[in-house]
Amino acid sequence: ETGVTQSPTHLIKTRGQQVTLRCSSQSGHNTVSWYQQALGQGPQFIFQYYREEENGRGNFPPRFSGLQFPNYSSELNVNALELDDSALYLCASSSTGTGDYNEQFFGPGTRLTVL
Amino acid sequence: AQSVTQLDSHVSVSEGTPVLLRCNYSSSYSPSLFWYVQHPNKGLQLLLKYTSAATLVKGINGFEAEFKKSETSFHLTKPSAHMSDAAEYFCVAGGTSYGKLTFGQGTILTVHP
Repeated sequence: ETGVTQSPTHLIKTRGQQVTLRCSSQSGHNTVSWYQQALGQGPQFIFQYYREEENGRGNFPPRFSGLQFPNYSSELNVNALELDDSALYLCASSSTGTGDYNEQFFGPGTRLTVL
Repeated sequence: AQSVTQLDSHVSVSEGTPVLLRCNYSSSYSPSLFWYVQHPNKGLQLLLKYTSAATLVKGINGFEAEFKKSETSFHLTKPSAHMSDAAEYFCVAGGTSYGKLTFGQGTILTVHP
């Protein structure tokens, strides 16, 4: 069984640029959630995708957007990067089919640094 | 709205002594509750979960947690700490209609030889 994978592992960008982070969900999982973990804090929910549609969103501005593809993989896009966007971005997959959509399996994360 | 409060930002124990990491939650409904562990430069690993089947939940690596509704607590315990337990631990609440997880601020566990 393949776990959740994310790419790239590290990324350095400058203010105002745009970035795309990628996530492959665990085999058999149809739902992907994205979280932002700033240094020294717990992860914060950004949004969730199910059946290629956004299925819920946290308190993040519209410049944070996402996609889910037919194979359930997902992208997180952030436009007009700000210094405060520097964080570890975590992807988690889950399956509505198990009846426990809360049990989410996390990837290793992408460390984004904005200069 | 729901929230999770981890009462200690840092806990330090000696190897072989008990571990107690404290967590309180606030929710307008009975949530699913989880403990995750995060080792440096690694992703989050699920330790255990509570989903109303039993109030005492056993997880991996000898960890347990007890759900106490009257105290709105979900403390994590382990009888005997091991050096490999040193990591950051997150108490997490789920239960919304679409599976949004709400994380506590985390507790860094240090284990001394």
